[in-house]
Amino acid sequence: SAVISQKPSRDICQRGTSLTIQCQVDSQVTMMFWYRQQPGQSLTLIATANQGSEATYESGFVIDKFPISRPNLTFSTLTVSNMSPEDSSIYLCSVEGHSYEQYFGPGTRLTVT
Amino acid sequence: GIQVEQSPPDLILQEGANSTLRCNFSDSVNNLQWFHQNPWGQLINLFYIPSGTKQNGRLSATTVATERYSLLYISSSQTTDSGVYFCAVGTGTASKLTFGTGTRLQVTL
Repeated sequence: SAVISQKPSRDICQRGTSLTIQCQVDSQVTMMFWYRQQPGQSLTLIATANQGSEATYESGFVIDKFPISRPNLTFSTLTVSNMSPEDSSIYLCSVEGHSYEQYFGPGTRLTVT
Repeated sequence: GIQVEQSPPDLILQEGANSTLRCNFSDSVNNLQWFHQNPWGQLINLFYIPSGTKQNGRLSATTVATERYSLLYISSSQTTDSGVYFCAVGTGTASKLTFGTGTRLQVTL
């Protein structure tokens, strides 16, 4: 299984600001994903991070709000832009293993005040 | 999009009891996975099981794809089994997952 780290683990931010979350994997992977988990809720896929091309966003998520970078096969960033209290969530990255199983990072707990 | 419903939403067990968690989905899938989210928020992959039956220790899972459901069995539950269990499914481009509503499990002494 892949070992995934995320930075920061948690942050408290003021509304109107932006936060960039980093996701690092210990091996090269083709598929990387970003999810959001709002308080007490299930996980929702934000986008698929594609290496060398633009991310593919799910319905309800846009690049201006959640820009994503994927400069290589082991690293990705998600930025939460112009934050509001509604953006308070856990943000998780995941990767796909060799047998289609997904592995998740520890998450970034974001609170927007 | 596909709907994924899990039952029961909440479950309280005494240590040593057995339980069955259910996942119903509204369309054909080619990817189904079970996850455990521990009380600290970490998601652990339990099974990749688009069809058939798998077992890993005290846990086992069965997916009946033709009838659009999957079951997760937990035997001899322990307090460390507490947390939220999610099933997640994929259709078409199998890598993208839609998560279910979750079952929150609490195991007491």
